[in-house]
Amino acid sequence: GQNIDQPTEMTATEGAIVQINCTYQTSGFNGLFWYQQHAGEAPTFLSYNVLDGLEEKGRFSSFLSRSKGYSYLLLKELQMKDSASYLCAVRSGGYQKVTFGIGTKLQVIP
Amino acid sequence: NAGVTQTPKFRVLKTGQSMTLLCAQDMNHEYMYWYRQDPGMGLRLIHYSVGEGTTAKGEVPDGYNVSRLKKQNFLLGLESAAPSQTSVYFCASTRRGIDRADTQYFGPGTRLTVL
Repeated sequence: GQNIDQPTEMTATEGAIVQINCTYQTSGFNGLFWYQQHAGEAPTFLSYNVLDGLEEKGRFSSFLSRSKGYSYLLLKELQMKDSASYLCAVRSGGYQKVTFGIGTKLQVIP
Repeated sequence: NAGVTQTPKFRVLKTGQSMTLLCAQDMNHEYMYWYRQDPGMGLRLIHYSVGEGTTAKGEVPDGYNVSRLKKQNFLLGLESAAPSQTSVYFCASTRRGIDRADTQYFGPGTRLTVL
């Protein structure tokens, strides 16, 4: 089976930087995704890592260490609209199954 | 290009009633999935399909059945609804393969309440 851990809630200030961590245990690792989900809406894709290192996309960056079973999502220059849940998801196996963490609810305050 | 659509958006059922949730995608994706999302539980996989005519059980399949008669459609059935099936149901699809492009695209969700 798989186990994915991420903090339940975080609070950060507008304009600041926040790092959301995710640790996982899995066999047959085949990639890690980060999704953003606003309240009452569907998850939307943010980033994907399959190799170790940092992937940067605008204000959002994601890091992966496969040997440590660890990833983080870094959000810079926080905006109020970044208030949402951030889901860490791990893909493994040959049938493209993806297992999701419970999500981290981020509140951005003025 | 509508992406992934779900019907209905909301539904209230009484215990024991049956219903079918419809998911449709127009991206020619091979793989389709049904998840449920409950507070504090995250998204949990109910059933999935790796192609037309094929289905497989996910993490929480009990009480649900699925069918994939056409590539673009994936149906989720509840034969005898129970209050424990009150949840938000998301359908998702992905192209196929193992490269960056194969992220999951989600439908808007169906909010189901079983009384």
